[in-house]
Amino acid sequence: DQQVKQNSPSLSVQEGRISILNCDYTNSMFDYFLWYKKYPAEGPTFLISISSIKDKNEDGRFTVFLNKSAKHLSLHIVPSQPGDSAVYFCAASGVNDYKLSFGAGTTVTVRA
Amino acid sequence: GAGVSQSPSNKVTEKGKDVELRCDPISGHTALYWYRQSLGQGLEFLIYFQGNSAPDKSGLPSDRFSAERTGGSVSTLTIQRTQQEDSAVYLCASSLEALASYEQYFGPGTRLTVT
Repeated sequence: DQQVKQNSPSLSVQEGRISILNCDYTNSMFDYFLWYKKYPAEGPTFLISISSIKDKNEDGRFTVFLNKSAKHLSLHIVPSQPGDSAVYFCAASGVNDYKLSFGAGTTVTVRA
Repeated sequence: GAGVSQSPSNKVTEKGKDVELRCDPISGHTALYWYRQSLGQGLEFLIYFQGNSAPDKSGLPSDRFSAERTGGSVSTLTIQRTQQEDSAVYLCASSLEALASYEQYFGPGTRLTVT
């Protein structure tokens, strides 16, 4: 039972443009959300997070938006760079929990 | 400092054999997690260790899977009588504390192929 869904398996974007990655969740108990980035043959690395008390969190080129009523979050990367080409995983948890539920990932390819 | 390390990086085994996968967490991290990523799937939680507390084994898919963490540090995931559906990348992560707000640091994974 997938509680976190990333419906777009891949995304191709031109260098300098915006990348928008989407994520939906079904468990209303989730109140903490994270994005991880993964390069081939490496483990995922933490990118950015947001708690349910906020609807936006920004860190440099990366911004995460949370729409609790729609149970939807998105990651914006502006501007996209070639080094951003990777698999991006959305994850969710209860803030007082330790288990992370992950989506299947979106492969981002940034074209020069 | 050193990150999370896992060994072996790749393992090919015949159906029915047992395998052991090793994880060395970051020193001082009290929480250790095992995940599995099957082809086209997200990371699936398997098991969690926190200090000397009893582990949370709720994600283990069958009784062929077991794990231990010795001395609060190194962990071994054992799969007995491997099946082809066990083929996946097995990822280990550690964090300073066992809360989602504490970043989980992942190792590079062990790619297991059962033939």
